[in-house]
Amino acid sequence: ELKVEQNPLFLSMQEGKNYTIYCNYSTTSDRLYWYRQDPGKSLESLFVLLSNGAVKQEGRLMASLDTKARLSTLHITAAVHDLSATYFCAVDTFQGAQKLVFGQGTRLTINP
Amino acid sequence: DADVTQTPRNRITKTGKRIMLECSQTKGHDRMYWYRQDPGLGLQLIYYSFDVKDINKGEISDGYSVSRQAQAKFSLSLESAIPNQTALYFCATSDSRQGTYNEQFFGPGTRLTVL
Repeated sequence: ELKVEQNPLFLSMQEGKNYTIYCNYSTTSDRLYWYRQDPGKSLESLFVLLSNGAVKQEGRLMASLDTKARLSTLHITAAVHDLSATYFCAVDTFQGAQKLVFGQGTRLTINP
Repeated sequence: DADVTQTPRNRITKTGKRIMLECSQTKGHDRMYWYRQDPGLGLQLIYYSFDVKDINKGEISDGYSVSRQAQAKFSLSLESAIPNQTALYFCATSDSRQGTYNEQFFGPGTRLTVL
C-alpha cells in the first residue's frame, strides 16, 4: 500500500528566507504532483513531476523528484507572504488503477 | 465559468438523512473522483470513475455511494448521514489521454455538516 508522508507538517517562516518541504513515499512511482490550498478553498495544481531528476520552477517555488530515493522536495526561495498556504504532494499509484495518494499537507505561514 | 462545479457549496443536515452532492465538469475529462478532507488532514479518496460504466471504491467508501449519470456528471450520496461524515468534500477530474499525466483538477468543494 502506497503511503505518502510530508514534513514538516507546520512551518512558520519569515519573509525573505529559504526553506524546503519534503515528500517521501513508500512504493515505486514516477509521477508526483504538488498542489496548493488556501484556507477554505480548493486545490490548485502547481507542478507535475514525471521522471527521475525532474525539476520544475515557477516564481519562488521549485520542485524536484528523486524516484530512487522516493523523495520530492518543494523549495521556497526568498519567501513572501502571498505564499502562505497549505501545500500537498500526491503520488500516482500508476499500477493498474491510476489513483493519487495525498500527503498530510504542510501548512506554511510566512510572517512579515 | 468554472470548469468543475459542485453543488451545494455548503450543507447542514441531520443524522440519518440521505444527502446528495453533485459535481459537473465542462473540461471534457473522462475520469472523475470524490475526495473527503478532514481538518488538518490530506485528501482521502471515496470513489472514482474512469468512464460512465466504470465505478470503483476508494479508501473510505463505506457509508457512501455514487452515480455517474453522464461523462460530465458524478454525484455522491450519503445514505444515512452521521456526524463523523462532517467534512469538506471535493470532486476532481482528469483526462486519460496520452500526455495529460493524470493531472487532477479540483472543484471548489462542498462543506458538509452533519448534526
